[in-house]
Amino acid sequence: DAKTTQPPSMDCAEGRAANLPCNHSTISGNEYVYWYRQIHSQGPQYIIHGLKNNETNEMASLIITEDRKSSTLILPHATLRDTAVYYCIVRDYGGATNKLIFGTGTLLAVQP
Amino acid sequence: NAGVTQTPKFQVLKTGQSMTLQCAQDMNHEYMSWYRQDPGMGLRLIHYSVGAGITDQGEVPNGYNVSRSTTEDFPLRLLSAAPSQTSVYFCASSYRDRGHRWGTQYFGPGTRLTVL
Repeated sequence: DAKTTQPPSMDCAEGRAANLPCNHSTISGNEYVYWYRQIHSQGPQYIIHGLKNNETNEMASLIITEDRKSSTLILPHATLRDTAVYYCIVRDYGGATNKLIFGTGTLLAVQP
Repeated sequence: NAGVTQTPKFQVLKTGQSMTLQCAQDMNHEYMSWYRQDPGMGLRLIHYSVGAGITDQGEVPNGYNVSRSTTEDFPLRLLSAAPSQTSVYFCASSYRDRGHRWGTQYFGPGTRLTVL
């Protein structure tokens, strides 16, 4: 079972910031938080990951709470092309299987 | 780099037929895996490989076989197709980082399989 909880859907206006929440209250110390997105049944696309510090790349920012029990993915200026299902996944960075456990994610609909 | 490629993009089979889904990557990644995605659900791991000659089962391996004779290729074989195997199949690959831990997984575009 997925170790994360996400809202099933969210709306965002084009040009505004999209803030996608994720709860992972049972995360352990060696587990990272990963975010992927899937646009219209294409292959999942890696967005960003982090352990405990906030992270930023060209696609998004990741804010992880100090207790690491929740995180927020931020798309700073959402466009229509950001409409997708967003998956929050916790993963043991040193694990032998490298398995990603996908939940059902959050469907982000960016409105014009 | 082409990344992770999958063929075919679409396939229709009759119950009982066999076929092989192809997956290849040109990034010299040691790790490769197969997932399936049923409508409205997340991806589930079928089989994975941590290097040439090494494979192991994921959470839904029944009805599928894999082999890994080269680093680049990781084919998925359906031995006797069943309607329950109608799904979208994704292949992924990953590298080892400098700490010898698995890095980010990169996914292919998927194969849409229908079993009648």
